[in-house]
Amino acid sequence: GAVVSQHPSWVICKSGTSVKIECRSLDFQATTMFWYRQFPKQSLMLMATSNEGSKATYEQGVEKDKFLINHASLTLSTLTVTSAHPEDSSFYICSPHTRTYEQYFGPGTRLTVT
Amino acid sequence: QKEVEQNSGPLSVPEGAIASLNCTYSDRGSQSFFWYRQYSGKSPELIMSIYSNGDKEDGRFTAQLNKASQYVSLLIRDSQPSDSATYLCAVAQGGAQKLVFGQGTRLTINP
Repeated sequence: GAVVSQHPSWVICKSGTSVKIECRSLDFQATTMFWYRQFPKQSLMLMATSNEGSKATYEQGVEKDKFLINHASLTLSTLTVTSAHPEDSSFYICSPHTRTYEQYFGPGTRLTVT
Repeated sequence: QKEVEQNSGPLSVPEGAIASLNCTYSDRGSQSFFWYRQYSGKSPELIMSIYSNGDKEDGRFTAQLNKASQYVSLLIRDSQPSDSATYLCAVAQGGAQKLVFGQGTRLTINP
């Protein structure tokens, strides 16, 4: 399967600040990266799809101006949560698009906004 | 109706027994189905994928797919305490490979 890293693994920030989460595909080039979030005791929900060299595609209900996605290269995608609020506290997980339909997830970033 | 439905459990199974996890989906055109295991505080880990009707076996795991009934299941034989986790059923939609997840079934294997 794909080897994916995320940084940071956890972060605590104050309300109103911004947080950047990095996702790296370590063993292959990912033209597309999926970003998910998971609230406590809930399942994963797709937030957006990032594409190298073009704008991200956001799912319905996800604010594109709040969750900024940049796919800087074939191995790096970033998610920035701008002006974070406590309701943004969640587990954020990336998953690179592979040549098969199987998706492998990064280790996740736990964000807590106080 | 939710797109992918699972019994949230919790499901308790004695060690060594067979654990049976079920999932139904609403999009009849779905072609790709996955089972993920998620330990508390960790990200999901892919354990099985299945694309054709019938059974697919991998070690102690067997996935079963019935597209006519829009039903996919996961059997875990010789259950071990380390199998205790939440199991997520996921269905790929469309050419973009977007995964839609069920709410997950929490499985506990009792020693």
